[in-house]
Amino acid sequence: DGGITQSPKYLFRKEGQNVTLSCEQNLNHDAMYWYRQDPGQGLRLIYYSQIVNDFQKGDIAEGYSVSREKKESFPLTVTSAQKNPTAFYLCASASRSDRSSFYGYTFGSGTRLTVV
Amino acid sequence: DAKTTQPPSMDCAEGRAANLPCNHSTISGNEYVYWYRQIHSQGPQYIIHGLKNNETNEMASLIITEDRKSSTLILPHATLRDTAVYYCIVRAQNTGTASKLTFGTGTRLQVTL
Repeated sequence: DGGITQSPKYLFRKEGQNVTLSCEQNLNHDAMYWYRQDPGQGLRLIYYSQIVNDFQKGDIAEGYSVSREKKESFPLTVTSAQKNPTAFYLCASASRSDRSSFYGYTFGSGTRLTVV
Repeated sequence: DAKTTQPPSMDCAEGRAANLPCNHSTISGNEYVYWYRQIHSQGPQYIIHGLKNNETNEMASLIITEDRKSSTLILPHATLRDTAVYYCIVRAQNTGTASKLTFGTGTRLQVTL
């Protein structure tokens, strides 16, 4: 079945270390997104990518980096510059050519990152 | 994208209809209303969307007022599994571009026995 896979589901990181969160999709979607969610809060956009080899900063990009070398993959690196990295991270994808709906806007199951 | 306003929380008895309101008074003519829900510690799930006509699918109904300044998501027979945070999102359909969705804090629906 097509979908988005995020790994790992739970991740622990020591303070000061960089960590990379994986996001892979087999939906043939052009656009991919990373959101961050804190307890009791909505989702905030970190980075997004409309096509391969291109990405834009979202609302809270500081301390994060991404790459989009392949259509299927959009890894997120949480760097040591991110002051409060403990959060729930969600990856999503959407079809760039889908003009009629967001049936194509699909979310992964998330990665919960804890800094210890 | 237009901003939306939702109540922070609502309760509903199991088996009854859950009516979740959303205000979007600054909505533009080309903006759609989307509803997603997020069950605890999972990714958001698409529910329904509409432009100006009422919509119904297997999950829910969407009622949009004539002036399009507000809408209501209706879960006709709520079950315990419908307990989740429900997000109302307004955005335009961009030709050839899948633009980003902006999420607010949503409405936390608690379905009780």
